[in-house]
Amino acid sequence: NAGVTQTPKFRVLKTGQSMTLLCAQDMNHEYMYWYRQDPGMGLRLIHYSVGEGTTAKGEVPDGYNVSRLKKQNFLLGLESAAPSQTSVYFCASSPETLARPNTEAFFGQGTRLTVV
Amino acid sequence: AQSVTQLDSQVPVFEEAPVELRCNYSSSVSVYLFWYVQYPNQGLQLLLKYLSGSTLVKGINGFEAEFNKSQTSFHLRKPSVHISDTAEYFCAVSVDAGGTSYGKLTFGQGTILTVHP
Repeated sequence: NAGVTQTPKFRVLKTGQSMTLLCAQDMNHEYMYWYRQDPGMGLRLIHYSVGEGTTAKGEVPDGYNVSRLKKQNFLLGLESAAPSQTSVYFCASSPETLARPNTEAFFGQGTRLTVV
Repeated sequence: AQSVTQLDSQVPVFEEAPVELRCNYSSSVSVYLFWYVQYPNQGLQLLLKYLSGSTLVKGINGFEAEFNKSQTSFHLRKPSVHISDTAEYFCAVSVDAGGTSYGKLTFGQGTILTVHP
């Protein structure tokens, strides 16, 4: 089972360049999330989506944009990369809101992004 | 708003020793509690979760955690660790906000467990 797949796994960008991170899930989940992981700070939510065609801001949305044109895909875009966006990015999905019992988030393996 | 504090950033232990990773949370509403594990160069994997009922929760790989509402804690324990348990562990909470709330998952800072031979 593929689960949640992130593309690419590694990337180095120059300051000012743009790129798109792709997250694909094959579990027919409604909810999808983008997190960034930084040392000593745990995971912080960037943007999330509660269904196809919807997106919303999380804790740290500045400098990022997202799109959910298809239910199975959630794209994270960096229009003009900055060194502060050097991080490990994780995508996750869940069948429904995490505020309900008996649901959980499934994570991808991460994308390590370095901005120089 | 809810928050999570993992009290130890790094925990070194010897193989076959017991271990406890500490997690405290704060929230004004009921919460669901989770422990995730991240092995080197991998994504996060759910270790265990507390939703309701018994305060002692058993998870995969011999780990267990105890929910203590009065102390707002959810400490993770294992009676005898193995080299393969070396990983980073994250405590997380989501709130029971009802309605159509997306149920924000708030993570702690992480605890790196290193098991030495």
